[in-house]
Amino acid sequence: SQTIHQWPATLVQPVGSPLSLECTVEGTSNPNLYWYRQAAGRGLQLLFYSVGIGQISSEVPQNLSASRPQDRQFILSSKKLLLSDSGFYLCAWSVLDFNSPLHFGNGTRLTVT
Amino acid sequence: GQQVMQIPQYQHVQEGEDFTTYCNSSTTLSNIQWYKQRPGGHPVFLIQLVKSGEVKKQKRLTFQFGEAKKNSSLHITATQTTDVGTYFCGGRSGNTPLVFGKGTRLSVIA
Repeated sequence: SQTIHQWPATLVQPVGSPLSLECTVEGTSNPNLYWYRQAAGRGLQLLFYSVGIGQISSEVPQNLSASRPQDRQFILSSKKLLLSDSGFYLCAWSVLDFNSPLHFGNGTRLTVT
Repeated sequence: GQQVMQIPQYQHVQEGEDFTTYCNSSTTLSNIQWYKQRPGGHPVFLIQLVKSGEVKKQKRLTFQFGEAKKNSSLHITATQTTDVGTYFCGGRSGNTPLVFGKGTRLSVIA
């Protein structure tokens, strides 16, 4: 069966520090991969998605970036965190079809202080 | 761009009362998906609706897709404390990822 791993579960970082969140999927090949952010009162905001290795689409301009170095690995990064980057970050995967359901990881709660 | 609006933002009900959340899109949707997020958890897929006017049921939950494929609703009959959480709808127009509404947070008072 397919599983998705996301870490860390919680993170407290100072303003201006770098960020790296990692997500891996097991049990499937060529998945679509997604990064969502959930801030209070703003629902699920799509940040990045990827349909293949090295292919990244950005939905929201900001100081975050994403990379997909391997088929089942998705990384969210920032060189310098802002206070506004605080939130709940969720990685998700689906089969290679936007019509398919999303399967979310457990999320990373990021607090920028 | 495509927008999905969901109302209400919050709903408090007594246990046993019914609950409905509504989802509206600015564009015609190819499909709509519903998710539930328990407090402290991650969203979990509930159902997908594809056809105009489609109605699907899961026990006490009834999902509807509007005739024009621009709106949808989720109705829970006789809520229970286990229904607590945030319900999200997500819609697609064309070959693009889901766009989610802001969700409806349901509280159930025992």
